[in-house]
Amino acid sequence: DQQVKQNSPSLSVQEGRISILNCDYTNSMFDYFLWYKKYPAEGPTFLISISSIKDKNEDGRFTVFLNKSAKHLSLHIVPSQPGDSAVYFCAASWTGKLIFGQGTELSVKP
Amino acid sequence: DADVTQTPRNRITKTGKRIMLECSQTKGHDRMYWYRQDPGLGLRLIYYSFDVKDINKGEISDGYSVSRQAQAKFSLSLESAIPNQTALYFCATRTGPTYNEQFFGPGTRLTVL
Repeated sequence: DQQVKQNSPSLSVQEGRISILNCDYTNSMFDYFLWYKKYPAEGPTFLISISSIKDKNEDGRFTVFLNKSAKHLSLHIVPSQPGDSAVYFCAASWTGKLIFGQGTELSVKP
Repeated sequence: DADVTQTPRNRITKTGKRIMLECSQTKGHDRMYWYRQDPGLGLRLIYYSFDVKDINKGEISDGYSVSRQAQAKFSLSLESAIPNQTALYFCATRTGPTYNEQFFGPGTRLTVL
């Protein structure tokens, strides 16, 4: 059973607009949530994270929101740039392990 | 030089062959992980190790084994490769319990014919 789900396999956004990537989870014991970005032929790289006791974390153009009651987190990228085009994975941390979603491929068009 | 390296980067092999994928890190991290990535399934945990004497099965360990030869080295073996083990394999490291971020290697693309 998939504990972390990204229901949108792909997302296309115009340059300069907002990109919103979504992630749902089922296990209320997760204590930390992370977003990773992956380019082709490279390993995933860490982007931003949020503790389960917070509801928002911001880092430059990237903001992660956590809604614990809905078991939902989202990543906002504002403004989106063509270099943001990549696959984005959300992950949840529990007992020293990360559980990943399926990924969303973001395409930012000039 | 990269902090987490994986060898080989690409490998094509035949069904029934034994394959070893190697991971080395210079980050000085205690915790190391092996994942596989399949289209539409994200990254799934195969094995993980919190220190040299600690080995744990992950979500999909059947058909795989690991060896933690040193703090810096963590190898993944496929004892008898089968076609559904064709995937991208990633090694990752983490510093310890305080920080949740894992650092990934560049991956190994394995094809089993």
